[in-house]
Amino acid sequence: GDSVTQMEGPVTLSEEAFLTINCTYTATGYPSLFWYVQYPGEGLQLLLKATKADDKGSNKGFEATYRKETTSFHLEKGSVQVSDSAVYFCALSVNTDKLIFGTGTRLQVFP
Amino acid sequence: DVKVTQSSRYLVKRTGEKVFLECVQDMDHENMFWYRQDPGLGLRLIYFSYDVKMKEKGDIPEGYSVSREKKERFSLILESASTNQTSMYLCASSLAGGVVNEQFFGPGTRLTVL
Repeated sequence: GDSVTQMEGPVTLSEEAFLTINCTYTATGYPSLFWYVQYPGEGLQLLLKATKADDKGSNKGFEATYRKETTSFHLEKGSVQVSDSAVYFCALSVNTDKLIFGTGTRLQVFP
Repeated sequence: DVKVTQSSRYLVKRTGEKVFLECVQDMDHENMFWYRQDPGLGLRLIYFSYDVKMKEKGDIPEGYSVSREKKERFSLILESASTNQTSMYLCASSLAGGVVNEQFFGPGTRLTVL
């Protein structure tokens, strides 16, 4: 079945470091891909999305490119801040309103 | 400001109790969802509703039921709570149809069953 695999955390970085969180997927059709973020004590919120191959989603300095050839949607940010500390979820949907989530990756950024 | 609200942030119940978790959205969304979130397992879909009085089982419906009598409200019911239902419960809503519809989440209810 369709699934999402994320790198395990926590990812621990110093402020202004470069961030990559890996996400790969398995899907029978042509999925749409998403990154959601969960700040401490809150629900999830959409960070960015991409609906077709080679699309790049971006928001708040974060970027992810839909790579069909490697079935990946890795999240990157050039310079992280303490306020980026959160749990990040990769997700997909295939011809449905339902989402399939990865297990989440916790990011901790220290000053 | 769009909102999904959940009736409680924290809830403590005893084994065997009937538990109701309420979720309300103010965006006139057709779809509503209940997930549970557990460490190392991510979010797993319990139930999905695509219209009033319409529902569909998710990946882990056992031990749960749902009710959607009005468009804005979606309730999750634990018929007889058990300790393995201790978890964080998240409600979400979205528009129906289209290519990509963002899901909007509530803040979650952390349920402890003793």
